[in-house]
Amino acid sequence: GNSVTQMEGPVTLSEEAFLTINCTYTATGYPSLFWYVQYPGEGLQLLLKATKADDKGSNKGFEATYRKETTSFHLEKGSVQVSDSAVYFCAFLTGTASKLTFGTGTRLQVTL
Amino acid sequence: DTEVTQTPKHLVMGMTNKKSLKCEQHMGHRAMYWYKQKAKKPPELMFVYSYEKLSINESVPSRFSPECPNSSLLNLHLHALQPEDSALYLCASSQIGGDEQFFGPGTRLTVL
Repeated sequence: GNSVTQMEGPVTLSEEAFLTINCTYTATGYPSLFWYVQYPGEGLQLLLKATKADDKGSNKGFEATYRKETTSFHLEKGSVQVSDSAVYFCAFLTGTASKLTFGTGTRLQVTL
Repeated sequence: DTEVTQTPKHLVMGMTNKKSLKCEQHMGHRAMYWYKQKAKKPPELMFVYSYEKLSINESVPSRFSPECPNSSLLNLHLHALQPEDSALYLCASSQIGGDEQFFGPGTRLTVL
């Protein structure tokens, strides 16, 4: 069945460190892929997306590339800030349904 | 206006109460969603409305009753809830067939 596997958190980094959060998916067809971010006490915000193989989504210094051959969509940022502390969800949407399939979420804590 | 609003922000209710959650968007989206999010978990889809008609019900107990009175509004009526229903309830909207869902800030519900 459809599923998303994210790396376990929490991830604790110092400010300006490099971030990678791994995400792999199992889906039928050709899903659109997303990273959502949830800051403490808030709803979800779309961080970036990619809709076809080899597309790179980017926003606020974050990047992720749609890798069809490895069914992955890893999130990266070259230099994290304290304000990036949040929970990050990898998700996908298949073309024939309105259902987002989410990963379990990865909590990122950035310290000074 | 690219915002989904939800009221109230917080709600505390007893198991015999009847209450309603409200969601509103003015982006012209004709698909609207209710999600339930427990602490440290990803959102779980509850209901999907397409063109103001219920299109997906994820086997949600009847004590949750959704309503879509018009294309901008989505309600969730609550009756005889259990303490385990305490969660963050998120509303989202999208274009029909679109791949981006816009989330509201959520209503944090506590059932005593």
